[in-house]
Amino acid sequence: DAMVIQNPRYQVTQFGKPVTLSCSQTLNHNVMYWYQQKSSQAPKLLFHYYDKDFNNEADTPDNFQSRRPNTSFCFLDIRSPGLGDAAMYLCATSSPDRGETQYFGPGTRLLVL
Amino acid sequence: EDQVTQSPEALRLQEGESSSLNCSYTVSGLRGLFWYRQDPGKGPEFLFTLYSAGEEKEKERLKATLTKKESFLHITAPKPEDSATYLCAVQGTTDSWGKFQFGAGTQVVVTP
Repeated sequence: DAMVIQNPRYQVTQFGKPVTLSCSQTLNHNVMYWYQQKSSQAPKLLFHYYDKDFNNEADTPDNFQSRRPNTSFCFLDIRSPGLGDAAMYLCATSSPDRGETQYFGPGTRLLVL
Repeated sequence: EDQVTQSPEALRLQEGESSSLNCSYTVSGLRGLFWYRQDPGKGPEFLFTLYSAGEEKEKERLKATLTKKESFLHITAPKPEDSATYLCAVQGTTDSWGKFQFGAGTQVVVTP
């Protein structure tokens, strides 16, 4: 089945130790997104790509960076994780041809010790 | 700026007790309103997209409706497996491509 895959599902890191989260998709969608979601809160958009065009939200901390080497893969790098970065990180995809509906991966739960 | 408010924050239902969730939105021209279901520790699962006032969509026990200011998600005769958080999101016509505004969700618990 076509889908959005995130690895790892759970990530434990130490305060200040860089971490990379990965997302891959078999939907061949143009757009990929990274969201941060904290408990009982709305998902918060960090970045999105339309093909290779990169867009970051104005309030996304500089500590967060992203890479999209090809259509299928996208990475979220957290350079120096703080305790406040502990959250669920969601990857999503969409395509203009599909009415911009977003399809989400299962998420990566990040714990910062 | 787009705003989305969902109510109630939490809803506890008996199995078979129908109810409705509300998503009120403010947007300068609606491109689309989206409903998602999210189970604990998982990513949101797409349910419906609504584009214009008066539109309705159904899937099993769920029915989504849309007016110019709000959307309702009706749950008819819910079962315990309908327990989840239901998220609403909007995209406005003046939003940059890829910009969605999510509500905080309604957490639904259905007890047998």
